[in-house]
Amino acid sequence: DGGITQSPKYLFRKEGQNVTLSCEQNLNHDAMYWYRQDPGQGLRLIYYSQIVNDFQKGDIAEGYSVSREKKESFPLTVTSAQKNPTAFYLCAISIVRFTEAFFGQGTRLTVV
Amino acid sequence: GQQLNQSPQSMFIQEGEDVSMNCTSSSIFNTWLWYKQDPGEGPVLLIALYKAGELTSNGRLTAQFGITRKDSFLNISASIPSDVGIYFCAVSPMANQAGTALIFGKGTTLSVSS
Repeated sequence: DGGITQSPKYLFRKEGQNVTLSCEQNLNHDAMYWYRQDPGQGLRLIYYSQIVNDFQKGDIAEGYSVSREKKESFPLTVTSAQKNPTAFYLCAISIVRFTEAFFGQGTRLTVV
Repeated sequence: GQQLNQSPQSMFIQEGEDVSMNCTSSSIFNTWLWYKQDPGEGPVLLIALYKAGELTSNGRLTAQFGITRKDSFLNISASIPSDVGIYFCAVSPMANQAGTALIFGKGTTLSVSS
């Protein structure tokens, strides 16, 4: 089954713990993105990557880290430095030649 | 940073009514996109617009790319309960350069009562 897979769907963590969100794709798309969604705030870009072993900060990268060791995978780590980590996190991909992005189903992170 | 102004922020309508929402920017963009997000899910691409003045339909949905390249609108005709969700406009910050990140509006939340 082709597509974008984000896991887990729901994630609970204690304050001060790092947590890693998974994003995997088997569509052979080059570009991958992480967005954060808060109620009424739209989608805000955290990080994006256009090729393996390279990534760029988005508008709200502080407190987050990523890696792109494989084309298929772009995990996002929410570190303890992120002041307000509770949010809905969305991973997206796009083909290099096109601008449309296609999204995974999201991970809802709750920090208690 | 660049921003999109999407309006209205929310809409409450009766089933069967038509809906119109729009998105404006102070900058010119060469691609406008419209997405729909169902509750608890990721956004799904509805319509992509690549040419100023372009009018594109997808079933009951119609979207237009403004002639000034600074705006776009989305119309939904004869709304049904499954139209409920958040509708986002989005643009690419670099002209026809893929792999750069989209800029999103803050969304229009649509509620439909039957």
